[in-house]
Amino acid sequence: SYVLTQAPSVSVAPGQTARITCGGNNIGSKSVHWYQQKPGQAPVLVVHDNSDRPSGIPERFSGSNSGNTATLTISRVEAGDEADYYCQVWDSSSDYVVFGGGTKLTVL
Amino acid sequence: EVQLVESGGGLVQPGGSLKLSCAASGFAFSGSSMHWVRQASGKGLEWVGRIRSKADNYATVYAASVKGRFTISRDDSKNTAYLHLNSLKIEDTAVYYCSRYTTGFDSWGQGTLVTVSS
Repeated sequence: SYVLTQAPSVSVAPGQTARITCGGNNIGSKSVHWYQQKPGQAPVLVVHDNSDRPSGIPERFSGSNSGNTATLTISRVEAGDEADYYCQVWDSSSDYVVFGGGTKLTVL
Repeated sequence: EVQLVESGGGLVQPGGSLKLSCAASGFAFSGSSMHWVRQASGKGLEWVGRIRSKADNYATVYAASVKGRFTISRDDSKNTAYLHLNSLKIEDTAVYYCSRYTTGFDSWGQGTLVTVSS
């Protein structure tokens, strides 16, 4: 089955840029979606189809996808961005939805 | 406004059964693919399965961890999706979310907690 790999944690100072990666075999050929989840809350879609932002998501959130790595980039990080972030794809060969293990973003 | 409201969670013994509901509003439910995702305490998101629309013959697919034990159904006349949990195991303890899938999971419910314990 298809596997998505994320680093468990990323730390960044306020105002800096956070990059959260999601690794998968030839993930560049798939559409990657990213979710933000704060404690006690349901996940929120922050980037869909590799690089598109849903309405209401700040422009500071952006995404890219190529080769074996997809990346969620958060510019000018704020304290309120501290959360868990998950990548997700649909694996057409199995018809399964697959989530990465999640990355905890800590704002120092 | 899209709204998804889960209900039906609770405490159940190992081997028991439970039926979760997901009441939808604010969008064309009958044409939407509906999914269930769960999250054990302190753990990541785990996809459980999905049901497609009538146009796609209500096709279902399930994660390997629940296949044969869980069943997803829907009642379009009530704008409601269901997750039937059977032969429950302790490791099924989690918050269960329903979600609409369009370009990614763009809408989520608040979740309902299922606790499997003796």
